[in-house]
Amino acid sequence: NFMLTQPHSVSESPGKTVVISCTRNSGSIATTYVQWFQQRPGSAPTTVIFEDNQRPSGVPDRFSGSIDSSSNSASLTISGLKTEDEADYYCQSYDLTNVVFGGGTKLTVL
Amino acid sequence: QVQLQESGPGLLKPSQTLSLTCTVSGDSISNGGHYWSWIRQRPGKGLEWIGYIYYTGSTSYNPSLKSRLTISVDTSKNQFSLKMSSVTAADTALYFCAREGLELGGMDVWGQGTTVTVSS
Repeated sequence: NFMLTQPHSVSESPGKTVVISCTRNSGSIATTYVQWFQQRPGSAPTTVIFEDNQRPSGVPDRFSGSIDSSSNSASLTISGLKTEDEADYYCQSYDLTNVVFGGGTKLTVL
Repeated sequence: QVQLQESGPGLLKPSQTLSLTCTVSGDSISNGGHYWSWIRQRPGKGLEWIGYIYYTGSTSYNPSLKSRLTISVDTSKNQFSLKMSSVTAADTALYFCAREGLELGGMDVWGQGTTVTVSS
């Protein structure tokens, strides 16, 4: 079993760039795909990144994903921040066939 | 487009069994192209994976919940269901169903969620 650890919260100003990290505590981050979900208050999560760095259609290219084996972590980068990006973000991966979610990061755009 | 809709009782007493159904439209569970998942979110908390099922009935469960869970599928109704026994207040949550890719690439379609409250 492994855990995915995210910062509890991050904040940044409109127009800036923010990076949200997701660190895997055991095993390689590259073993299974990492996904990122956005959840606005009162809504279901939606995918912003799948398979480490793929964007679903309709997700702006301001959103990008990457993995870094040296830090055993995945990152979600949001550039050109907009107030509408304010939400909770969750990373997710797999432990064999079991789904693992990170604890979530609250992004404040102020 | 693909839509998922959760349904089931919103209020349970401790020790009862939670039963939820997810009705799928715009896709056929029996096509075999996806797993069908349940995820929950306790009030003010993060996402917690419950389990998923394949159209064949093959399942994978969260080890911490496994002893209380049954996920089943009814391909004739294009539905899948969750049963969780012996609920407590700690099972009070927003329950989501979702579609998940076979390539372990995450959930791509989510239901809107249904709230279940456990209270005496």
